Amino acid sequence: AQSVTQLDSHVSVSEGTPVLLRCNYSSSYSPSLFWYVQHPNKGLQLLLKYTSAATLVKGINGFEAEFKKSETSFHLTKPSAHMSDAAEYFCVVSGIMEYGNKLVFGAGTILRVKS
Amino acid sequence: ETGVTQTPRHLVMGMTNKKSLKCEQHLGHNAMYWYKQSAKKPLELMFVYSLEERVENNSVPSRFSPECPNSSHLFLHLHTLQPEDSALYLCASSQEVFGIETQYFGPGTRLLVL
Repeated sequence: AQSVTQLDSHVSVSEGTPVLLRCNYSSSYSPSLFWYVQHPNKGLQLLLKYTSAATLVKGINGFEAEFKKSETSFHLTKPSAHMSDAAEYFCVVSGIMEYGNKLVFGAGTILRVKS
Repeated sequence: ETGVTQTPRHLVMGMTNKKSLKCEQHLGHNAMYWYKQSAKKPLELMFVYSLEERVENNSVPSRFSPECPNSSHLFLHLHTLQPEDSALYLCASSQEVFGIETQYFGPGTRLLVL
């Protein structure tokens, strides 16, 4: 079975400093991995996805993530945080089921950006 | 703004009420999903429809009844809910069911059951 663990429930950074949101996954095969962001009172928006192409994936708003198979990790980073990045972030792995690939969501990491 | 809309955005209901949540996607997708997002819990998949046919029901209580009249619309009918059903209910759609392509999410309906 596939699973995903987000190692921090809350992360707080100052504006202009780097962001690191950690995610480890478990999968018995080569997974597809996603990062979604949810701003308050909004739905989930895709930031980026990894589907067995380049291991360094670039997403929207300056975010990127690196797939490391040896560490079973897919951490999300951004060089410089902006106030508008404050939101909840979900790491997601696709899991095989009868009808196709099911998305398995992590518990989420709330990112706070201080001015 | 995404191509998936949900109404109402907020709903307060008593345990004896009957209400329905509506989701509409304007993306030409073939698959639609209902998720439940509760505080401090991972997102839970409730129902999946592919080409208007239900392909998964994740052991959801019968007080939740989905309906997919066509590939653009998805409803969640609610009756005799419990306070623990209070949550954010998210609708999503994708081109094919559970493909590796992106699922697009609506803004959600925040439900409070009194």
